[in-house]
Amino acid sequence: GAVVSQHPSRVICKSGTSVKIECRSLDFQATTMFWYRQFPKQSLMLMATSNEGSKATYEQGVEKDKFLINHASLTLSTLTVTSAHPEDSSFYICSARVNQENQPQHFGDGTRLSIL
Amino acid sequence: GESVGLHLPTLSVQEGDNSIINCAYSNSASDYFIWYKQESGKGPQFIIDIRSNMDKRQGQRVTVLLNKTVKHLSLQIAATQPGDSAVYFCAESRDGNNRKLIWGLGTSLAVNP
Repeated sequence: GAVVSQHPSRVICKSGTSVKIECRSLDFQATTMFWYRQFPKQSLMLMATSNEGSKATYEQGVEKDKFLINHASLTLSTLTVTSAHPEDSSFYICSARVNQENQPQHFGDGTRLSIL
Repeated sequence: GESVGLHLPTLSVQEGDNSIINCAYSNSASDYFIWYKQESGKGPQFIIDIRSNMDKRQGQRVTVLLNKTVKHLSLQIAATQPGDSAVYFCAESRDGNNRKLIWGLGTSLAVNP
């Protein structure tokens, strides 16, 4: 149980392109989803927290107009990197959790984004 | 083998040995702790969790120990296997704020056959 699917797993595109990443909870309803960014050999850096049906809460320093998050249902959240540039190249990971006590976040397998 | 927390981010053990990965957490108000395993190119995988009203919890081949007095968490892996090679992260959270996780820096475990 608790499977989170993230798609696509890898994207290579030109500078200026907008890229959408999907995160789906396959066998549970995720009240809350999280989006992270991870640089090589580093820990995960939280970008934003998204609750179904409401606006995402962004961490300090993360541009909400650059990283658009939509959490339209209890099983789907999307992250759109708008007008991506080479400095946006990174490993993006989503997670989802049920809003109950003692429930951990469950993670997708990440999206490797490479902007040329 | 044993790591000493954030100062030794790499732990190398022989196959079959027991591994101990340590983590110092930061917030005394944290009441829920999780260990994740991350293999190269993948997302973190849940291993085991523990609440602050416990000091030990066991899973399959893994044990988590919590010492609230010194804000220390450890993950013990019994009979370490090559498939255990990965980066291990501890994470802490407290009630509210959607249970955001505060992440440790990670320890890379290398299992030698």
